[in-house]
Amino acid sequence: AQSVTQLDSQVPVFEEAPVELRCNYSSSVSVYLFWYVQYPNQGLQLLLKYLSGSTLVKGINGFEAEFNKSQTSFHLRKPSVHISDTAEYFCAVSGNDYKLSFGAGTTVTVRA
Amino acid sequence: GAVVSQHPSWVICKSGTSVKIECRSLDFQATTMFWYRQFPKQSLMLMATSNEGSKATYEQGVEKDKFLINHASLTLSTLTVTSAHPEDSSFYICSARDMRGYNEQFFGPGTRLTVL
Repeated sequence: AQSVTQLDSQVPVFEEAPVELRCNYSSSVSVYLFWYVQYPNQGLQLLLKYLSGSTLVKGINGFEAEFNKSQTSFHLRKPSVHISDTAEYFCAVSGNDYKLSFGAGTTVTVRA
Repeated sequence: GAVVSQHPSWVICKSGTSVKIECRSLDFQATTMFWYRQFPKQSLMLMATSNEGSKATYEQGVEKDKFLINHASLTLSTLTVTSAHPEDSSFYICSARDMRGYNEQFFGPGTRLTVL
């Protein structure tokens, strides 16, 4: 079974500042890792995913994440945030059964 | 591409009634769909895995007789909340996995259920 821990429940950040959202996972098998964003009262939108290959993954809206197997981490970063990045962010992991296990979520609030 | 729709987007019903929520993959075929439940300010909890043409697989603690799932075609799965009670009020989200095997789930916009 897989599990995910998002280390920050809330992250306030100023506009144009960088942001990092931390995610650690545990799994006994090969994993696939994902970051999703959720805006209020909406479904989830995929930001990026790691399936295999390069450990640095680039996604939409300027986000990127790095898979670190030795530290079992998949932290999400953006060098300069916008007001529109205010949302809930979920890290998720799945195995070969394609079932997703989500972290508790990180609320990002971008202030002018 | 890869659009998933849900209907209705919100529903209010009286306690004791049943409510059906539809999940459709609009531009791809999905052999597998997933149903999640999300409480306010919380994460998504997987309720069940819906496979086309076979019975759904429920996660531990989910009442299969209360949450009926039917995956009638490669583009449609339905979740029926039977004899709904106020504690069933929640945000229900479905996702669909492209049958071409891409390891990615595409999520619907969610359905807000309020049971009075």
